[in-house]
Amino acid sequence: DVKVTQSSRYLVKRTGEKVFLECVQDMDHENMFWYRQDPGLGLRLIYFSYDVKMKEKGDIPEGYSVSREKKERFSLILESASTNQTSMYLCASSLGRTHYEQYFGPGTRLTVT
Amino acid sequence: GQQVMQIPQYQHVQEGEDFTTYCNSSTTLSNIQWYKQRPGGHPVFLIQLVKSGEVKKQKRLTFQFGEAKKNSSLHITATQTTDVGTYFCAGRESNAGNMLTFGGGTRLMVKP
Repeated sequence: DVKVTQSSRYLVKRTGEKVFLECVQDMDHENMFWYRQDPGLGLRLIYFSYDVKMKEKGDIPEGYSVSREKKERFSLILESASTNQTSMYLCASSLGRTHYEQYFGPGTRLTVT
Repeated sequence: GQQVMQIPQYQHVQEGEDFTTYCNSSTTLSNIQWYKQRPGGHPVFLIQLVKSGEVKKQKRLTFQFGEAKKNSSLHITATQTTDVGTYFCAGRESNAGNMLTFGGGTRLMVKP
């Protein structure tokens, strides 16, 4: 079974803090994704990576950056957290090539006060 | 950019009734996937449809991909309380690499 883990289930940070969310997958998947999930808005793609050190912007990259130094690990960084970044953050991975189904981690509920 | 709309946003049904959620894309899709998210959980992959007009079944769930590959539906026959959750469709365009665009989801609630 594919396992995708995220560093925290719940996180509370103050406005202006730098926040790191980490995601690790154990199935040698090529692709990794960061989404945020808000009620009524579904899943919106923030960034994705198709290889180590490679990244592409998704639909809502503003205020976020990412890092993929190793194949199994994909980090989401909030440079200066703001209250409108309070959300559920979901990491996902997919094998790549012709295998597009995504496997999700349990999510991190981030609250910025 | 590509948009994927899903209706309805919410659906309450009595246990045993049928349920359908619909997904429409603004662009032609290469394939479409469906995911289920249980309350408090994360999305879990259910199925992928690739061919125009394709129909696939998983027990009481029937998935269809439209002839024009711009719409899809998920139908559940005789709902059970275990069907509770949010169902998402996710479309992939042929030039989008491995990116998916998710619909807003349909939250299904089942009254026992």
